[in-house]
Amino acid sequence: EAGVAQSPRYKIIEKRQSVAFWCNPISGHATLYWYQQILGQGPKLLIQFQNNGVVDDSQLPKDRFSAERLKGVDSTLKIQPAKLEDSAVYLCASSFGGLDQPQHFGDGTRLSIL
Amino acid sequence: LAKTTQPISMDSYEGQEVNITCSHNNIATNDYITWYQQFPSQGPRFIIQGYKTKVTNEVASLFIPADRKSSTLSLPRVSLSDTAVYYCLVGDRGKLIFGQGTELSVKP
Repeated sequence: EAGVAQSPRYKIIEKRQSVAFWCNPISGHATLYWYQQILGQGPKLLIQFQNNGVVDDSQLPKDRFSAERLKGVDSTLKIQPAKLEDSAVYLCASSFGGLDQPQHFGDGTRLSIL
Repeated sequence: LAKTTQPISMDSYEGQEVNITCSHNNIATNDYITWYQQFPSQGPRFIIQGYKTKVTNEVASLFIPADRKSSTLSLPRVSLSDTAVYYCLVGDRGKLIFGQGTELSVKP
């Protein structure tokens, strides 16, 4: 079974620039998550999709972050404009759905803001 | 929001049993408790999940007392490759929250 695919693996940009991350979940997984993991901390949920609808985006900084999941499969997370504090690893995860279904994570995109 | 509390770090030796406890005082009735393992430069990997009492799989056991306000991940006979960060995940009224993680160091 293919895992969760994310790209790019690394990205370096200057502050105030924009950046986008892409995620392809495991086939058949209805639920998709984006997390932000700052060095030394646990992952923090940014947004959760069920198919192509948003379930929870309460911790997404909506003034600069946006995410979409067209057709309920792939997803894109965008930051515009980036700030220094956005330096982190952005992880995508997917599951069949429901809190009793384990999440499967990709290896993330490491973002560095100069 | 529920808060989970874990020891920041633990040391062990190869062949020993390791127990890592997570406190989650505000767990909701329908929430599950899930543990993940994370190596550097990789995403978290699912280890085990439970709702109450005891769950065992090929790599670990999970003990949950009746009040469900804590859980203990048990790793039997650890090896050097078990050196990683271990996270406790508890769903809090629909919001998924990771603990701060326990950095386990296994020594020869």
